[in-house]
Amino acid sequence: SQTIHQWPATLVQPVGSPLSLECTVEGTSNPNLYWYRQAAGRGLQLLFYSVGIGQISSEVPQNLSASRPQDRQFILSSKKLLLSDSGFYLCAWTSSSMGQSRNTIYFGEGSWLTVV
Amino acid sequence: AQTVTQSQPEMSVQEAETVTLSCTYDTSESDYYLFWYKQPPSRQMILVIRQEAYKQQNATENRFSVNFQKAAKSFSLKISDSQLGDAAMYFCAYRSRPGNQFYFGTGTSLTVIP
Repeated sequence: SQTIHQWPATLVQPVGSPLSLECTVEGTSNPNLYWYRQAAGRGLQLLFYSVGIGQISSEVPQNLSASRPQDRQFILSSKKLLLSDSGFYLCAWTSSSMGQSRNTIYFGEGSWLTVV
Repeated sequence: AQTVTQSQPEMSVQEAETVTLSCTYDTSESDYYLFWYKQPPSRQMILVIRQEAYKQQNATENRFSVNFQKAAKSFSLKISDSQLGDAAMYFCAYRSRPGNQFYFGTGTSLTVIP
């Protein structure tokens, strides 16, 4: 079966410091990968999605970036964090092959980021 | 871009009663998928139920069922025999059939009163 893991689960970082959140999917090949942010009391905002290695689509202009160095690895980064980057970050995946898993998005456990 | 609207930021229900959460969406497409996700205090997003737009029959998963009104672009979630464990944030989501993007509503926080 497929699983998705992201880490770290909790992160407290000072303003201006770098960020790296990692996400890995197991049990599938060539998944579509997503990064969402959920600010306190608000819905899910799509930040990036990727349909393949090195293919990243950005939905919101900001100081965050994403990379996909391997087929099942998705990394969210920042060179200098802002206070407004605080929030709950969710990695997610869908299958790129036909079938129900293509039509449903599955989420990781999430990462809490507090910028101080 | 498609939009998903959940007009009820908060709802409450007595344990063992029934509650309905509302969701509307805006799209010009005819073939798509709709979802309800549950986010308990652990923050893990859990799929509750899924509906394919081409299917006229409303989806059902145990105590959870939907009322899908395609012409009205409405997709409500009914929770029957509410349990304390149903307390969570519920998100409605949309995905077009050929697309890769999912669009989420802003969520409805459900409280279950014992």
